[in-house]
Amino acid sequence: KNQVEQSPQSLIILEGKNCTLQCNYTVSPFSNLRWYKQDTGRGPVSLTIMTFSENTKSNGRYTATLDADTKQSSLHITASQLSDSASYICVVTPLFTGGGNKLTFGTGTQLKVEL
Amino acid sequence: NAGVTQTPKFQVLKTGQSMTLQCAQDMNHEYMSWYRQDPGMGLRLIHYSVGAGITDQGEVPNGYNVSRSTTEDFPLRLLSAAPSQTSVYFCASSYSTPGTGGSGANVLTFGAGSRLTVL
Repeated sequence: KNQVEQSPQSLIILEGKNCTLQCNYTVSPFSNLRWYKQDTGRGPVSLTIMTFSENTKSNGRYTATLDADTKQSSLHITASQLSDSASYICVVTPLFTGGGNKLTFGTGTQLKVEL
Repeated sequence: NAGVTQTPKFQVLKTGQSMTLQCAQDMNHEYMSWYRQDPGMGLRLIHYSVGAGITDQGEVPNGYNVSRSTTEDFPLRLLSAAPSQTSVYFCASSYSTPGTGGSGANVLTFGAGSRLTVL
């Protein structure tokens, strides 16, 4: 069964500090890997998307990396802000979906940024 | 830009009652879907549609019905609510089936969610 595991489950950091969130997946072969940000009480919003041939993608202070050999991705947040407090979800799409939507969602990392 | 609009935002039901969660998008997206989000679990696909008149089951379809009479609307019906259906429900849409295309293609746009409690 395709799985996506994220770590840590939760994280608290001080404003201005950097942090890195991890995503390990078993989906193979895969088409792309995405990171979503979900604010409390809101729907997820896409941050980055990478195909299997890409190994890094940036979106402002967010940088995602991908190692397709080890099936790992990370999301690095630089100079954190209070508004970064949210759940970050890793999502992997298999290469052959067979129709429809076969996205596999991780359970997310809950990040809290404090003063 | 409205994007994906879900109603209601909150709902409390008694076991056995039926209800419909509404979802509308104004982006002319062909693909629409419903997910549920439960504590400690990733989002799980309930039903999806690749265009008007076409629907299919996802990972956890039991107890739910959908229809797609227009491109814009994709309602989710709970036929006879059960406590196990207590969850947060998200409607999501994209231009075409997510995962197809290259980087940046067909990213899902989510609604704000509907929190359902079944007593």
